[in-house]
Amino acid sequence: GQQLNQSPQSMFIQEGEDVSMNCTSSSIFNTWLWYKQDPGEGPVLLIALYKAGELTSNGRLTAQFGITRKDSFLNISASIPSDVGIYFCAGQTGANNLFFGTGTRLTVIP
Amino acid sequence: ETGVTQSPTHLIKTRGQQVTLRCSSQSGHNTVSWYQQALGQGPQFIFQYYREEENGRGNFPPRFSGLQFPNYSSELNVNALELDDSALYLCASSPYQRQTYGYTFGSGTRLTVV
Repeated sequence: GQQLNQSPQSMFIQEGEDVSMNCTSSSIFNTWLWYKQDPGEGPVLLIALYKAGELTSNGRLTAQFGITRKDSFLNISASIPSDVGIYFCAGQTGANNLFFGTGTRLTVIP
Repeated sequence: ETGVTQSPTHLIKTRGQQVTLRCSSQSGHNTVSWYQQALGQGPQFIFQYYREEENGRGNFPPRFSGLQFPNYSSELNVNALELDDSALYLCASSPYQRQTYGYTFGSGTRLTVV
């Protein structure tokens, strides 16, 4: 099946710093999604991308759908303590399921 | 509007036993998908239910089965439990069959098989 690799696996940053993480795939996707998961909770959708090259923002978050349709990145600007969590990318082909990445664990040091 | 609720929140079972997990979809959502999330991994698609029929399945054996009821709630059943079945099981509902960007995930059921 499709494999999505996220990097880095984990990050430790100071509050106020910007964060960048990315996701690459061996397969093409029609939709890229970014989720955040807090401990003991299900993933929550942050940003959805539907076209190759698309750049979308949601507050301090910005994500891009790669031109090759095999990659995506997520940036978080001016990080705050509540940004702590695990960030997952997910790709969708034409089917009805999502393929999730391996996750990036973000720790924000106050 | 209520979100997706799953029960129970935690469960411990013995290898070889059977388990049923439950999910109530968000109001207005008619599609339910189930995912398995092993520790330290991303969620993996098990199957999806739409109009009470299975509508797509991931790479899981037949001992993983499900149901969807007329009120759109759903059950996940796992027979002959194995140690590797220990995971967080997530239910997600959406308003349409293919609108995965409309997914709302529940908080999950943590299953431990001993």
